[in-house]
Amino acid sequence: AQRVTQPEKLLSVFKGAPVELKCNYSYSGSPELFWYVQYSRQRLQLLLRHISRESIKGFTADLNKGETSFHLKKPFAQEEDSAMYYCALSGGQGAQKLVFGQGTRLTINP
Amino acid sequence: DAGVTQSPTHLIKTRGQQVTLRCSPKSGHDTVSWYQQALGQGPQFIFQYYEEEERQRGNFPDRFSGHQFPNYSSELNVNALLLGDSALYLCASSIYETGTVLGYTFGSGTRLTVV
Repeated sequence: AQRVTQPEKLLSVFKGAPVELKCNYSYSGSPELFWYVQYSRQRLQLLLRHISRESIKGFTADLNKGETSFHLKKPFAQEEDSAMYYCALSGGQGAQKLVFGQGTRLTINP
Repeated sequence: DAGVTQSPTHLIKTRGQQVTLRCSPKSGHDTVSWYQQALGQGPQFIFQYYEEEERQRGNFPDRFSGHQFPNYSSELNVNALLLGDSALYLCASSIYETGTVLGYTFGSGTRLTVV
């Protein structure tokens, strides 16, 4: 079964502090992992995907197949990072759907 | 380009009624996927339409049905509404050839409340 778990519903950190949003997944094959973000009153949008190995807005995420994790990290949080973050997986090439986690609401305190 | 457009934005229906939600995909996109997002949960895949056919379906009952038109727009229909159908319904459009989930553009959603 495909499953994505985000253990923290809420996460609050101070501006300038490091941020780590946890994501664990369950999938029998080789999944593709994504992080989506939803800022206040905006649409759900792609933040990054593991296969591209990019750093977007200072965020990075490394796929750890051994621990089946895809944690999202940023060394220095900014107030504009406050948003809802969703981890999601798809079944790799040709996949037709995403399986989302429950989401983590990140609040950056000034 | 207006991106993905969903209508209506909000809707209140009575239990047992039927509802139709609409989605216009982003220009150049040919595939529409529908997701249900219950309060406090992540989006859950309902089904996907490409070339006017349902290509894949999630774990939703037959009360949920859809349609795609020649202009790629899509409708989601829900019959015999239950209180538990109250949710935000998201539409995502993409290009089938390039790998559907890779190019998702999401709409703002329709908030359905069943009373």
